[in-house]
Amino acid sequence: GNSVTQMEGPVTLSEEAFLTINCTYTATGYPSLFWYVQYPGEGLQLLLKATKADDKGSNKGFEATYRKETTSFHLEKGSVQVSDSAVYFCALSGVASYDKVIFGPGTSLSVIP
Amino acid sequence: EPEVTQTPSHQVTQMGQEVILRCVPISNHLYFYWYRQILGQKVEFLVSFYNNEISEKSEIFDDQFSVERPDGSNFTLKIRSTKLEDSAMYFCASKKGIDSPLHFGNGTRLTVT
Repeated sequence: GNSVTQMEGPVTLSEEAFLTINCTYTATGYPSLFWYVQYPGEGLQLLLKATKADDKGSNKGFEATYRKETTSFHLEKGSVQVSDSAVYFCALSGVASYDKVIFGPGTSLSVIP
Repeated sequence: EPEVTQTPSHQVTQMGQEVILRCVPISNHLYFYWYRQILGQKVEFLVSFYNNEISEKSEIFDDQFSVERPDGSNFTLKIRSTKLEDSAMYFCASKKGIDSPLHFGNGTRLTVT
C-alpha cells in the first residue's frame, strides 16, 4: 500500500540556518505530494504541494520538488526563522478523487535565536 | 478565507459514554474526512465520506464509530461507547475536488477518563 517515510526528529537549528527534511514515499501510480505544517496547539495547514513529477511546490520560502526517480519530496528552506518552529508532515494522496491523504510520522523543528 | 470549524475544542467524557464531534466543512467542498492524532504521534486516517456515503474507512473505524452529514452543512463523528484509548485529537478535513488539498479544522481534543 501507499506509505510515507520522513526523517526522524526533533531537529534543532539556529535562526538563519539551512533546513532540509527528507521525505520518501511508496505509492502505486502517480500520487500528489504535500507538506503540511502543524504549529503548537493548532490543526494542520497545507504548506505546499506538487501533483506531478518534477513539479516544485513553494510557499513562505519553503520548497520541495517531486522526484519520481528517487520517490522523494524533500522539504528545504534557505534561512529558517524562530516562527518556523512547528511539526512538518510529508503526505501523499492517491489518484482517486476521494482518496485519503496519508501522512508521514512528522518531524518536529525547533529554531532557536 | 473560508475555513473548517470544529466544536467543541475540548471534550471530556467518561469511559462507555457516547460522544459526538461536530464539524462544519467549507461550504463548496465535496469530500469529507476524519483523522485522529494521539498525542505526539502520527496523524491517522479514520474515514472518508463522499456523496452521502462512506468511501473508505480504516481499521480504527470499527462498529463503535459512525459518521453522518445530517443537514448538508454539518459533518459529525460519533463514538458510541468510548474507551480510554480513544483519547486523541480528532481532526475534520474537507476538500473541493480531485487535486485539491485537504483543509483541516483546528481539532477537538477528546479526553476519556
